[in-house]
Amino acid sequence: KQEVTQIPAALSVPEGENLVLNCSFTDSAIYNLQWFRQDPGKGLTSLLLIQSSQREQTSGRLNASLDKSSGRSTLYIAASQPGDSATYLCAVTSGSARQLTFGSGTQLTVLP
Amino acid sequence: EAQVTQNPRYLITVTGKKLTVTCSQNMNHEYMSWYRQDPGLGLRQIYYSMNVEVTDKGDVPEGYKVSRKEKRNFPLILESPSPNQTSLYFCASSLLTRGRSAEQYFGPGTRLTVT
Repeated sequence: KQEVTQIPAALSVPEGENLVLNCSFTDSAIYNLQWFRQDPGKGLTSLLLIQSSQREQTSGRLNASLDKSSGRSTLYIAASQPGDSATYLCAVTSGSARQLTFGSGTQLTVLP
Repeated sequence: EAQVTQNPRYLITVTGKKLTVTCSQNMNHEYMSWYRQDPGLGLRQIYYSMNVEVTDKGDVPEGYKVSRKEKRNFPLILESPSPNQTSLYFCASSLLTRGRSAEQYFGPGTRLTVT
């Protein structure tokens, strides 16, 4: 059964810092990996989608990489801002059911 | 605007009173699914559907039913809600393409409280 782990569980940084969030998964037979953002009590906003054949995706200050063979992904946030404060979730799509398996998230706080 | 909608957004109900949470998408997606999110347990899949009249269980299906009579709609039914079904529920949809998997789009969530 696919399992997704995110480290660290929480992270607090001063504004302007570059930071890296980590995600690992146990079964490398994935279709894709998505990074989401969730604000407290709110829905999920998709940030980046990386197909299994891709190595990385970029959107603005965000860059996500995928190393499928080692079961790892990183989300790089450049020049962090207080508005980036949220929980970041990593999820992989795998199996014949195309199930999305989520990690437990990294709660990010960017201090002004 | 491409979107997944859920209704109601907030619901407080009592044990045993049947309820339905609706989910609708306007993107002609084949794949739809329901998740629940609980503190400490994260997001877990309840049911999914790969097309009209095709549904199957996810990781936590007990106490829930679904139907997929139309491509755009995927309602979640709680026949006899219990307090342990108090949770934040999300509906999601995506295209299904051979050998690949498309981005999943999520609805805004339904916060359900069962007393």
